[in-house]
Amino acid sequence: ETGVTQTPRHLVMGMTNKKSLKCEQHLGHNAMYWYKQSAKKPLELMFVYNFKEQTENNSVPSRFSPECPNSSHLFLHLHTLQPEDSALYLCASSQTEPSNQPQHFGDGTRLSIL
Amino acid sequence: SQQGEEDPQALSIQEGENATMNCSYKTSINNLQWYRQNSGRGLVHLILIRSNEREKHSGRLRVTLDTSKKSSSLLITASRAADTASYFCATDLNQGGKLIFGQGTELSVKP
Repeated sequence: ETGVTQTPRHLVMGMTNKKSLKCEQHLGHNAMYWYKQSAKKPLELMFVYNFKEQTENNSVPSRFSPECPNSSHLFLHLHTLQPEDSALYLCASSQTEPSNQPQHFGDGTRLSIL
Repeated sequence: SQQGEEDPQALSIQEGENATMNCSYKTSINNLQWYRQNSGRGLVHLILIRSNEREKHSGRLRVTLDTSKKSSSLLITASRAADTASYFCATDLNQGGKLIFGQGTELSVKP
């Protein structure tokens, strides 16, 4: 186990639905990340949170809304998604101080938009 | 264009052979990391090499870094069928833990 748990593992939703993805880390890390992984594309960094504060928003559409209530939990709220949003959404965590620390990933949520 | 680009995109070898994957990047880095992803799973960290290091070993893995050429290679020796996975390089630009990933190399090791 990597110490990063994502739920649900699979999610099918219509374009008008509202759902949330959850990520929890048990590693005591201060930083958490959301990535999108589409077929034949590199991982796309979406959001970065450091000590619960958002430090990066990589031009993500507003239909994706992150929430980080504390350093151990990260949510991604979804509403009115498009078919091109179907992808694997990965959460990761890391310790940013000292530097040169790896990221630890969850197994992702496979999202399908009908 | 991307920070990290890998080649080959796909590699198929027999068990026991060595597998070499390459990664090139464009800007100065703090460190470079290699990750592995099995089908349907998350990424697993393999090895991290700092910008002032040239070579690093971990078990059957050997990573080199050439900062003058802005490139890195991952060598897996004596491959096994269980090594079948996608392998990604990622560059750390010293921006609060942010990583930039390459497109990855799909490795298939045939028994």
